Amino acid sequence: EVQLVDSGGTLVQPGRSLRLSCAASGFTFDDNSMYWVRQAPGKGLEWVAAISWNSDSIGYADSVRGRFTISRDNAENSLHLQMNSLRAEDAALYYCAKGRGRYFYGMDVWGRGTTVTVS
Amino acid sequence: DIVMTQTPLSLSVTPGQSASISCKSSQSLLYSDGKTYLHWFLQKPGQPPQSLIFEVSNRYSGVPDRFSGSGSGTDFTLKISRVEAEDVGVFYCMQSVQFPLTFGGGTKVEIK
Repeated sequence: EVQLVDSGGTLVQPGRSLRLSCAASGFTFDDNSMYWVRQAPGKGLEWVAAISWNSDSIGYADSVRGRFTISRDNAENSLHLQMNSLRAEDAALYYCAKGRGRYFYGMDVWGRGTTVTVS
Repeated sequence: DIVMTQTPLSLSVTPGQSASISCKSSQSLLYSDGKTYLHWFLQKPGQPPQSLIFEVSNRYSGVPDRFSGSGSGTDFTLKISRVEAEDVGVFYCMQSVQFPLTFGGGTKVEIK
């Protein structure tokens, strides 16, 4: 069974850093792109970042570019999101999601999310 | 950036009736490989999103066949035939033809 377990969310002060992780299992991790998507309280879904199967293609939302870094460790089957210079507007539930295929063809499985509070 | 516009914002449906959600993109979602990267998701209350349809009309395994997607270019529709109580939640479309990936604002479906 495909499983994505998001972790690392917590309460953090504005301007500080945080690193989110997503542990993947049940599929061939290095055959799939991965995504981070967030959802502020009471709001819709917002794409944050995406990374291809071998990290040769990476994309960011304008709202996080230059502050957030997505990375993956294919040996450890893990996805990460390094979040620097956090702002109040970054507070959200962050989901990792498994991509369909090696590049950006949409996502098929979602984690349960990890909550980031900036205050 | 590609803007995704969903209508209506909300929908109240009688069980057994059908419902349609429109998703329009500000640019064509047809990629040079001939595929159209428009996807649909459902977020049930208190749950993470679940993937329903990829590339306009392809249902994921386990998704009931009462969900169907159609459209091309910039104009897409998700149809739910024979709505059931378990279909309540917010439906989102999303494009992945180019960065930044963008979601529609969501359509909330409730049962009468």
